[in-house]
Amino acid sequence: KQEVTQIPAALSVPEGENLVLNCSFTDSAIYNLQWFRQDPGKGLTSLLLIQSSQREQTSGRLNASLDKSSGRSTLYIAASQPGDSATYLCAVRGTASKLTFGTGTRLQVTL
Amino acid sequence: DVKVTQSSRYLVKRTGEKVFLECVQDMDHENMFWYRQDPGLGLRLIYFSYDVKMKEKGDIPEGYSVSREKKERFSLILESASTNQTSMYLCASSPRLFSYNSPLHFGNGTRLTVT
Repeated sequence: KQEVTQIPAALSVPEGENLVLNCSFTDSAIYNLQWFRQDPGKGLTSLLLIQSSQREQTSGRLNASLDKSSGRSTLYIAASQPGDSATYLCAVRGTASKLTFGTGTRLQVTL
Repeated sequence: DVKVTQSSRYLVKRTGEKVFLECVQDMDHENMFWYRQDPGLGLRLIYFSYDVKMKEKGDIPEGYSVSREKKERFSLILESASTNQTSMYLCASSPRLFSYNSPLHFGNGTRLTVT
């Protein structure tokens, strides 16, 4: 059974810092990994999707990497801003086409 | 831009009531999903549908049913609401083509409280 873990559960950084969020998964037989952002009381917004054959994806200040063999992904946020404050979730799609979500990292970027 | 719309942001229902949660997407997606999200448990899949009138059970289907009469609409039904169904409910959709590598698009969620 696939298990997805995100550490830390919460993170507070000052504005301008670069930061890394971690996601690990137990079964490396995946199709892809997706990172989402969730604002309080809202739905999820897709940020980046990395296919199993890819090593990384970039969108603006966000860069996601995938190391399938070690069961790890990182989301790098450059020059963090208060507007980046949200919960970030990763989800992996396995061979049964099912998505398994982590429980998220709650990020706060302070002024 | 894909839009997934959930008809209610907040709902309060009584134990034993029949509850309907509605979800509509405007991008002609074949795949639609219902999740619930609870603190410490993350998102869990309740039901999904790959086409009109098709449905598949997810991880936690007990106490729920679904209806997909039209491609754009996917309804979640709580046959007899119970307090342990108090949760945030999230609807999502994705296209079938390259579906394994298509991102999910989520609605804004419905926070249901059962008293």
